[in-house]
Amino acid sequence: AQSVTQLDSHVSVSEGTPVLLRCNYSSSYSPSLFWYVQHPNKGLQLLLKYTSAATLVKGINGFEAEFKKSETSFHLTKPSAHMSDAAEYFCVVSVPTSGFGNEKLTFGTGTRLTIIP
Amino acid sequence: DVKVTQSSRYLVKRTGEKVFLECVQDMDHENMFWYRQDPGLGLRLIYFSYDVKMKEKGDIPEGYSVSREKKERFSLILESASTNQTSMYLCASRGRSGANYNEQFFGPGTRLTVL
Repeated sequence: AQSVTQLDSHVSVSEGTPVLLRCNYSSSYSPSLFWYVQHPNKGLQLLLKYTSAATLVKGINGFEAEFKKSETSFHLTKPSAHMSDAAEYFCVVSVPTSGFGNEKLTFGTGTRLTIIP
Repeated sequence: DVKVTQSSRYLVKRTGEKVFLECVQDMDHENMFWYRQDPGLGLRLIYFSYDVKMKEKGDIPEGYSVSREKKERFSLILESASTNQTSMYLCASRGRSGANYNEQFFGPGTRLTVL
């Protein structure tokens, strides 16, 4: 079965320092992986996605993630944190379902990112 | 821009009431999904639909049912609301083709409180 594990429920960094949010996945085949972000009282927004093309994926707002098959990891990084990055981040794996082109998502439990001024 | 709308942002119901949560998408997407979000548990899939009148159980379907009579609308039904169904409910839609074919687009959520 496909699943993701977010290794930290809460991460705090100072403004201007690097961000690292860790995610490990479990999949019996080459998965599609995503990072979604949820700002307080806002809906979920896609940050970036990996779909078996380039292993280093660039997303919005300066975030990127690297797919490492040997480590079954898909960690999210950003070189320099900004106050507006404070949010909850979800690592997600896509799972095929019945019928052509149908998929469902399995979410990690989330990592709350706090930015210290 | 894809737009997914949900009928209410906040809803308060009493135990035993029948509750309807409505979701509408405007991008002609085939797939639609209902999740609930609870602190520390992430999002968990309740039900999904890959076409009109088609539905499949997700990971936590107990106590819920769904209806999809039209392609753009997907309803979540709590037949008899209970306090353990107090949660944030999120609807999403996804197309099966195009540049963003495997991206799910989410609505703003409905925070349901069952007293």
